[in-house]
Amino acid sequence: DAGITQSPRYKITETGRQVTLMCHQTWSHSYMFWYRQDLGHGLRLIYYSAAADITDKGEVPDGYVVSRSKTENFPLTLESATRSQTSVYFCASSGPLTGFAYEQYFGPGTRLTVT
Amino acid sequence: AQSVTQPDIHITVSEGASLELRCNYSYGATPYLFWYVQSPGQGLQLLLKYFSGDTLVQGIKGFEAEFKRSQSSFNLRKPSVHWSDAAEYFCAVVTNSGGSNYKLTFGKGTLLTVNP
Repeated sequence: DAGITQSPRYKITETGRQVTLMCHQTWSHSYMFWYRQDLGHGLRLIYYSAAADITDKGEVPDGYVVSRSKTENFPLTLESATRSQTSVYFCASSGPLTGFAYEQYFGPGTRLTVT
Repeated sequence: AQSVTQPDIHITVSEGASLELRCNYSYGATPYLFWYVQSPGQGLQLLLKYFSGDTLVQGIKGFEAEFKRSQSSFNLRKPSVHWSDAAEYFCAVVTNSGGSNYKLTFGKGTLLTVNP
């Protein structure tokens, strides 16, 4: 299906384990983003990517790693999960800057629980 | 630093009543502004956007927003609320960290409850 998908939708993991959240978009958008959403904090940017092989830190990058070898995929890895990383994670994508395509399109989210 | 403030954490309205959700931004240049809606358990959906031109913009689901530069505001309105509008609403502004990098800065959201 066209659009932006995230997997898994729900994940329970233990403290100290590595976990990878997947994000895939079919629009060939240049930009991709990872956010976490927590009560009282709203949406906070973790990492973003302007193109394949170009990534940059957002507001809360500690404890997370990203890569972008292909335009359509932007996986987020928690190298050693902590309880403070229990959250809902959203991936988003956006087209090129020409045409003022700044709007971001969001995936359905992954609810991650770290026990 | 650029920021977005949504002063109302929670608003309750009756079905059929009018609605206005407030958003104030802090940004030096001409802002690019958005409103998103998030239904429970869902991702964010774009309602409308303002880049330039007419300061009153129309969006999906009967929503509109008015950009007021003098007040640094971009308030969302709907003349008659439906029960299905119950959701959380986020205002956002484009911020540019230089070159081709850009990000959206989001407000903390306003939760809308609709009473029958």
